[in-house]
Amino acid sequence: AQSVAQPEDQVNVAEGNPLTVKCTYSVSGNPYLFWYVQYPNRGLQFLLKYITGDNLVKGSYGFEAEFNKSQTSFHLKKPSALVSDSALYFCAVRGPRYVDTGRRALTFGSGTRLQVQP
Amino acid sequence: DSGVTQTPKHLITATGQRVTLRCSPRSGDLSVYWYQQSLDQGLQFLIQYYNGEERAKGNILERFSAQQFPDLHSELNLSSLELGDSALYFCASSPSSSYNSPLHFGNGTRLTVT
Repeated sequence: AQSVAQPEDQVNVAEGNPLTVKCTYSVSGNPYLFWYVQYPNRGLQFLLKYITGDNLVKGSYGFEAEFNKSQTSFHLKKPSALVSDSALYFCAVRGPRYVDTGRRALTFGSGTRLQVQP
Repeated sequence: DSGVTQTPKHLITATGQRVTLRCSPRSGDLSVYWYQQSLDQGLQFLIQYYNGEERAKGNILERFSAQQFPDLHSELNLSSLELGDSALYFCASSPSSSYNSPLHFGNGTRLTVT
């Protein structure tokens, strides 16, 4: 079965410093990988996705993610953090087309709370 | 604003009761997904509908059911409610059932069972 792990419950970073939020995955075949962000009392918002192609994916709000097949990782990064980036971040994986019906939907990680200090 | 509308925003009810959560997808989206978010279980996929038909089923209890209507809005019915059903229930939509399509989430319905 597909799964995704976010090893850090919380990441603290100072404003202006680079940030990394870690994600590793397990899936049969080629993974479809996503990052979402959740602000308080709001639904999840799509940030970026990796389907195929370039291992470095650029997304919304200056975020990017690096796909590493050998390490089965898809870490979220930003060169310079903003206080407004403070939120809950979710990594998600979707199984490829040939996986049986029960595994077609997104499987989310447990989430990582990003706290950016001024 | 994602364009996905969920009602009500908050719901407080007693154990044993039945409630209905409603979701209107983004205009043009054919797929609707339901997720449950709780502190101990995280974000759990419940069920997906595509153009009125059930497409995938996840960790949905037998006490829960859903449907998607011809106008593409969806309802999630929760019955014989238990304290453990208290959670945030999200609806999401996408244009198709394609794996490439990001999901667009509503702001959720917070259910409190007392």
